[in-house]
Amino acid sequence: ETGVTQSPTHLIKTRGQQVTLRCSSQSGHNTVSWYQQALGQGPQFIFQYYREEENGRGNFPPRFSGLQFPNYSSELNVNALELDDSALYLCASSPSGPLGTDTQYFGPGTRLTVL
Amino acid sequence: GQQVMQIPQYQHVQEGEDFTTYCNSSTTLSNIQWYKQRPGGHPVFLIQLVKSGEVKKQKRLTFQFGEAKKNSSLHITATQTTDVGTYFCAAAGSGNYQLIWGAGTKLIIKP
Repeated sequence: ETGVTQSPTHLIKTRGQQVTLRCSSQSGHNTVSWYQQALGQGPQFIFQYYREEENGRGNFPPRFSGLQFPNYSSELNVNALELDDSALYLCASSPSGPLGTDTQYFGPGTRLTVL
Repeated sequence: GQQVMQIPQYQHVQEGEDFTTYCNSSTTLSNIQWYKQRPGGHPVFLIQLVKSGEVKKQKRLTFQFGEAKKNSSLHITATQTTDVGTYFCAAAGSGNYQLIWGAGTKLIIKP
């Protein structure tokens, strides 16, 4: 196991609602990235946090937001849920800072279903 | 934006046959990483390639990085049922802070 945990494992919401997903990084890892993985596709980068600040963002609207806390755990918040937001949400922590060259350690993911 | 193309989307093999997946980019890559995702699981890091022409082996898995650092391949010799899953390549994107992922190749073992 990677030591990265996510909660909850599954979640069902309805359109227009808001959701918060949580991630606890592997000990000592100061960088966390969030990904959305639709069924049958590769992970899509949402954003990355390094030392509590957003370090980079993919092509996702502002209703996707996040936080990283001093203990390096983090949250992904999604407002005004849409049906297309149904996906597996993965967080990945890495030990050496905000570099794409760093190995990423993934959590088990949260499966979000929007009805 | 930067894209990483991965083919094929699926590969059906008999147990014991070989499997290969390919990743291509139109731009030079600083590195490429390979991950495996089992059905219902999450991506697990396999390896990172950095140098032009680099070849790395892990038991029955052979990873190659092209001389121009624009393509990469993963080859599995004599597949086993434990190899089932989707194999992804991922490369550092612009700004070097994110990974750009291929669409994955799903390895299916025929019964």
